[in-house]
Amino acid sequence: KAGVTQTPRYLIKTRGQQVTLSCSPISGHRSVSWYQQTPGQGLQFLFEYFSETQRNKGNFPGRFSGRQFSNSRSEMNVSTLELGDSALYLCASSLESSGGFKTQYFGPGTRLLVL
Amino acid sequence: AQKVTQAQTEISVVEKEDVTLDCVYETRDTTYYLFWYKQPPSGELVFLIRRNSFDEQNEISGRYSWNFQKSTSSFNFTITASQVVDSAVYFCALSEERTSGTYKYIFGTGTRLKVLA
Repeated sequence: KAGVTQTPRYLIKTRGQQVTLSCSPISGHRSVSWYQQTPGQGLQFLFEYFSETQRNKGNFPGRFSGRQFSNSRSEMNVSTLELGDSALYLCASSLESSGGFKTQYFGPGTRLLVL
Repeated sequence: AQKVTQAQTEISVVEKEDVTLDCVYETRDTTYYLFWYKQPPSGELVFLIRRNSFDEQNEISGRYSWNFQKSTSSFNFTITASQVVDSAVYFCALSEERTSGTYKYIFGTGTRLKVLA
């Protein structure tokens, strides 16, 4: 079974621009979460989508948004980029189980550099 | 407050040495899950193991073993006979239920392991 895929893998943008990152979950997985990883802050939770609805949200400004499509693919968007948005953005998918608990499987990430 | 502490920022060992990565967690929940992930230079977090709070049995998988002790709130990871390919950043994570019925992950800051040939 194919793993989580993320595109693009690398991206260079300038301040003020916007960017859209894409994530395709493992087949059958309906929950998609996004994380930002930086050397200073570590892994920080951005948001989680399930059945096209945002189910949980981390503590990030409104410039960070996302959506999920009916095929469970997800996109996240960052508007008005700032230098501090330079990071590795990781997507994780999980299989929703009746017990509610899930293991997250991560994609390779998108490295965003804001100049 | 929920928290995961990986006090070891970086560890260097020589190939074939054993190494233990420490993880200490804090939670008020009685039901929770603990994880270890490996992040090689490529960036992808690779799932290694999941443990639930009711199962304190130690686990061994090849050269990897995990020691879960609720009494000390620790979930340590040992690599036996380390290899250069084990060089990576290792993350410990805690997952517990939100009031909404969904689950959240809390990651430690990671331990960078360097295995020298």
